[in-house]
Amino acid sequence: SQELEQSPQSLIVQEGKNLTINCTSSKTLYGLYWYKQKYGEGLIFLMMLQKGGEEKSHEKITAKLDEKKQQSSLHITASQPSHAGIYLCGAMNTGFQKLVFGTGTRLLVSP
Amino acid sequence: NAGVTQTPKFRILKIGQSMTLQCTQDMNHNYMYWYRQDPGMGLKLIYYSVGAGITDKGEVPNGYNVSRSTTEDFPLRLELAAPSQTSVYFCASSLAGGPDYEQFFGPGTRLTVL
Repeated sequence: SQELEQSPQSLIVQEGKNLTINCTSSKTLYGLYWYKQKYGEGLIFLMMLQKGGEEKSHEKITAKLDEKKQQSSLHITASQPSHAGIYLCGAMNTGFQKLVFGTGTRLLVSP
Repeated sequence: NAGVTQTPKFRILKIGQSMTLQCTQDMNHNYMYWYRQDPGMGLKLIYYSVGAGITDKGEVPNGYNVSRSTTEDFPLRLELAAPSQTSVYFCASSLAGGPDYEQFFGPGTRLTVL
């Protein structure tokens, strides 16, 4: 079965600093999703990547899917306290019925 | 649109009790899903449905049942609650399956079984 490993597991950065979160898959990725979860709340969709080499940006968050389609990175530029939360990557399983999720990266942004 | 709504938000059950977690979506989505999220872990799929009247097991279906009598509703039933079912439960929906379609998530139900 497909597994997603995220690194780092947790991260504390100073406000204004850049950061990167990685998501590595044990199998080829067919659709990679990034979600953000605020503590104690539901998941908020950030971005979806489908093609190798694809890169998408929304405000200060950029996500990339590498050419070999087994790894994705999420980069936040000039972090703000509002970026704090748990970032989860999810990928479609090969049967396209469900999302398999990574264990998440907890981000804290200190003022 | 309200999106995906879940009730209740919180619940405490005693071992052996039963309950139903409600999930409703108003986006006319065909696919609906139930996930559980344990502390420090990612989400695991319990059951999913590709349309009214059709359900299938996910990774961790034991101890749960679902039904899909309408497009909008996808309730999750716990028959004999056990401490291992203490978790946060998320319902999600998507227009269709496959990598082209985003899954929309509800706010979650926090369940504690004592």
